[in-house]
Amino acid sequence: RKEVEQDPGPFNVPEGATVAFNCTYSNSASQSFFWYRQDCRKEPKLLMSVYSSGNEDGRFTAQLNRASQYISLLIRDSKLSDSATYLCVVSRGAAGNKLTFGGGTRVLVKP
Amino acid sequence: GAVVSQHPSRVICKSGTSVKIECRSLDFQATTMFWYRQFPKQSLMLMATSNEGSKATYEQGVEKDKFLINHASLTLSTLTVTSAHPEDSSFYICSAPPQGLKNQPQHFGDGTRLSIL
Repeated sequence: RKEVEQDPGPFNVPEGATVAFNCTYSNSASQSFFWYRQDCRKEPKLLMSVYSSGNEDGRFTAQLNRASQYISLLIRDSKLSDSATYLCVVSRGAAGNKLTFGGGTRVLVKP
Repeated sequence: GAVVSQHPSRVICKSGTSVKIECRSLDFQATTMFWYRQFPKQSLMLMATSNEGSKATYEQGVEKDKFLINHASLTLSTLTVTSAHPEDSSFYICSAPPQGLKNQPQHFGDGTRLSIL
């Protein structure tokens, strides 16, 4: 079993719609959680950190469920520019420790 | 602006060539840097942890004699793919956590796309 698992998608989303997807992690010792965005043939870019109480950044909302060991990302009012692969990233320690990446969830926003 | 610079961004070379990739932290010191590899349609896989002034720590299955890592200063780590073969063709990317700042996300370089003919 992979340490971090994601639905690869693609999620085909009409522009303006809401899309949500999850990520599960197997190591209960995981402490830091992030969502990164990766565009085709580019490096990952941090979208947002995920906090225990859940957090929101504009149209993006992230939730953490430690009991069930999953993280979610919700995108509201999807834009064409949101089309990308979203990577769930977990660290056992502080953010400066080794990161474990999920396989990514591909999102395609269409007009 | 970029805080981690990776060079070169693209390499195409013949089989058997050794290729060096540099990763520099631009405005902070990085005692630790991480090297990842990403094959097409796969996720990033950690290859090794580069430690300033000491030997790198390699992940299981990564050949340390093939992927030489040197972290000679607080701002530079290099990855050398020795005697590269077509199966080494991949996207190599480094990251560095800001030193002294706990729980701050890591910065990634732009990545190096390596193609071995």
